[in-house]
Amino acid sequence: AQTVTQSQPEMSVQEAETVTLSCTYDTSESDYYLFWYKQPPSRQMILVIRQEAYKQQNATENRFSVNFQKAAKSFSLKISDSQLGDAAMYFCAYRGGVQGAQKLVFGQGTRLTINP
Amino acid sequence: SQTIHQWPATLVQPVGSPLSLECTVEGTSNPNLYWYRQAAGRGLQLLFYSVGIGQISSEVPQNLSASRPQDRQFILSSKKLLLSDSGFYLCAWSPWTQYFGPGTRLLVL
Repeated sequence: AQTVTQSQPEMSVQEAETVTLSCTYDTSESDYYLFWYKQPPSRQMILVIRQEAYKQQNATENRFSVNFQKAAKSFSLKISDSQLGDAAMYFCAYRGGVQGAQKLVFGQGTRLTINP
Repeated sequence: SQTIHQWPATLVQPVGSPLSLECTVEGTSNPNLYWYRQAAGRGLQLLFYSVGIGQISSEVPQNLSASRPQDRQFILSSKKLLLSDSGFYLCAWSPWTQYFGPGTRLLVL
């Protein structure tokens, strides 16, 4: 079974600085998708960024980018120019590439604090 | 555009009472639908998923059940709530990426 590990329960960063959240996963599949979700205090899960495993280019969305290392099974999230609104729980998630249920496997999350 | 709704937003129920949480999706057809539960400060646990009307798969044995009476409607139910059923319940839908509803906070006393 696939597993997702986030080894940093908590992280903090100064406003306007850059922070990187770590995620590793374990799978025997070659085709899959990886996601980062943000959960602010409202607790709604918001998609931040996604990465298809077959793509070599790292995904970017404005201030958010990933470092996808397929061989190392690593998928870190970099947040540039941190803003107070970035404070939240961040969850890394894995989804197999086979059609059907398309279930997500989540990590335990990293709580990010932004210091003004 | 697609939207997903959940209600109620908050619910306080006594132990042993029944439960019905509803999730509806607009703007799409034949989505995959999912129910998750999240304990405070923890990750998400997949409870049920559905790939079509009347098709329900359970991930965790418990006193909860799910139904999908219509294409875009997903219901989470219980006949008798337990204290351990307290938590935050999230519904999600997907074409390829899962998108989540606003969630329901359930407190069982």
